[in-house]
Amino acid sequence: NAGVTQTPKFRVLKTGQSMTLLCAQDMNHEYMYWYRQDPGMGLRLIHYSVGEGTTAKGEVPDGYNVSRLKKQNFLLGLESAAPSQTSVYFCATSVGGFGQPQHFGDGTRLSIL
Amino acid sequence: AQSVAQPEDQVNVAEGNPLTVKCTYSVSGNPYLFWYVQYPNRGLQFLLKYITGDNLVKGSYGFEAEFNKSQTSFHLKKPSALVSDSALYFCAVRDPNTGGFKTIFGAGTRLFVKA
Repeated sequence: NAGVTQTPKFRVLKTGQSMTLLCAQDMNHEYMYWYRQDPGMGLRLIHYSVGEGTTAKGEVPDGYNVSRLKKQNFLLGLESAAPSQTSVYFCATSVGGFGQPQHFGDGTRLSIL
Repeated sequence: AQSVAQPEDQVNVAEGNPLTVKCTYSVSGNPYLFWYVQYPNRGLQFLLKYITGDNLVKGSYGFEAEFNKSQTSFHLKKPSALVSDSALYFCAVRDPNTGGFKTIFGAGTRLFVKA
């Protein structure tokens, strides 16, 4: 039982390049989230999904796009990478909202040069 | 607006001593409160939550947290710290009045337990 798996684990990009981060879950959770973690700022929500085929913007969505074509996968795309997007990206899932806790992947460390 | 404050960047405690990691919050309604722990190069792991009921909630690894509505606080506690408790701890809140799925995280508190 893998839980939440993020690929890749590390990536270095040049400014202007594009890439896609993959999040896969085997827990059959409805809700999926993408966060970025920056030192001293906690986690900030980029985009989220409350079910297959649905996505919505979070707190810091600019420069990112997402898709959830299958329930178990949630993709985060960087259209044209910028140094300000250097961060650690975490995917999380939950059964639902309100009192349901989130389950996190181990993160993708992304550096934009 | 929702917010979470963790006033201490770092907490230092000796092994065997009690520990407290502080958290205060601001939401418009009755909050759902969570504590998560993060070990190096890992994702966050759920420790405990407060939804309603008893103000003292117990969670994983011997941790507990006390909800205080009048002080809008949700401090994490453990009676006897272990070196292995050294990690980064995050307090988080959900406001049911805004849909109940957006989570606001504090900036984190690094706990260092000295042997």
